[in-house]
Amino acid sequence: DADVTQTPRNRITKTGKRIMLECSQTKGHDRMYWYRQDPGLGLRLIYYSFDVKDINKGEISDGYSVSRQAQAKFSLSLESAIPNQTALYFCATSDSRTSRETQYFGPGTRLLVL
Amino acid sequence: TQLLEQSPQFLSIQEGENLTVYCNSSSVFSSLQWYRQEPGEGPVLLVTVVTGGEVKKLKRLTFQFGDARKDSSLHITAAQPGDTGLYLCAGGNQGGKLIFGQGTELSVKP
Repeated sequence: DADVTQTPRNRITKTGKRIMLECSQTKGHDRMYWYRQDPGLGLRLIYYSFDVKDINKGEISDGYSVSRQAQAKFSLSLESAIPNQTALYFCATSDSRTSRETQYFGPGTRLLVL
Repeated sequence: TQLLEQSPQFLSIQEGENLTVYCNSSSVFSSLQWYRQEPGEGPVLLVTVVTGGEVKKLKRLTFQFGDARKDSSLHITAAQPGDTGLYLCAGGNQGGKLIFGQGTELSVKP
């Protein structure tokens, strides 16, 4: 079984709709992240959380919100989707108890906003 | 703002050739990770290097962290079609976040 899972894997929605992407992990890591990936731009950080009560904005948080419901769950919401939010979205986790700063990624959600 | 410049952005080679991907910055990083991503999947960790000058080998892949911990390289010997994918470097700054390079799209033709 995958350690980091994301649902849905694919989603098509219309402009103005609210959608939620969900992430769950069984790795026991305390830190969780949401990224978006666009061709030629690499991975850009949207939000991150270092524990259940900690939420931080990343470099491109406008238009997005997050919720850390439990240590194992981190969800990303688009309050009113717009076409330029069409992208690949990845959730990642890391363990603050190690010094190696390695992150482990989920399989991604492909989002298309019409 | 810390930036990681990755080059080349695209690389198309024949099976059996050697190649090197570079990751450069003006900033010092506490660690440097290399990931490989296949279409439709998330990035998968290949290696983490943390010591300046460190060299790690993973079969035909050799990773090096610069002495000053500002740059890194990935060298693939005798590339195979199965090496095709997107290679990403990422630098850690002990702040719990990673800075990613733009990625290198590698295509290895039989």
